[in-house]
Amino acid sequence: GENVEQHPSTLSVQEGDSAVIKCTYSDSASNYFPWYKQELGKGPQLIIDIRSNVGEKKDQRIAVTLNKTAKHFSLHITETQPEDSAVYFCAVPGGSEKLVFGKGTKLTVNP
Amino acid sequence: DAGVTQSPTHLIKTRGQQVTLRCSPKSGHDTVSWYQQALGQGPQFIFQYYEEEERQRGNFPDRFSGHQFPNYSSELNVNALLLGDSALYLCASSLGGQASFGQYFGPGTRLTVT
Repeated sequence: GENVEQHPSTLSVQEGDSAVIKCTYSDSASNYFPWYKQELGKGPQLIIDIRSNVGEKKDQRIAVTLNKTAKHFSLHITETQPEDSAVYFCAVPGGSEKLVFGKGTKLTVNP
Repeated sequence: DAGVTQSPTHLIKTRGQQVTLRCSPKSGHDTVSWYQQALGQGPQFIFQYYEEEERQRGNFPDRFSGHQFPNYSSELNVNALLLGDSALYLCASSLGGQASFGQYFGPGTRLTVT
């Protein structure tokens, strides 16, 4: 089955710095790559996703890049703010119906 | 536009008991997937319901069962609860049974088994 590895497990940055989280996957047929943000006590929130026919997608301070050859994709957050502090998960489809998630990255933005 | 709703928010049960969790999908969505999230881990897929049928199941025993109603809402039932079933249970709503169309999560139900 699909396997997803996510790094780093924790990331601490100063407010205003950039943060990058990377995920690698095993199934070369994967064609959809979402990122979720989970705040304490809440469910995961879909923040950005990318499909395999696109190499990069940007939404304000958040961007996702995809390297299909190397089978990895990354979340980039620029000009980080304290409210960006949360756990971030990457995911890939494991078959057509389900998502397989990484183990998460706890991002702390220090004021 | 109502998002995904789940009830109850918290639940405490004793080993051996049974529990039912409920989910209403986002308006316009017809598919519900259930995930279990243990503390400090990513969500693990339990199963998906589309057109009132279970379409795919993750690596969970038959103690976990579900149902989808004609209005697309869904229930997750867990029988013979074990301590290890303590987790956050998440419902994800989507369209057409396809994960690649985007899955949107509810706030979850925190289940504690004592």
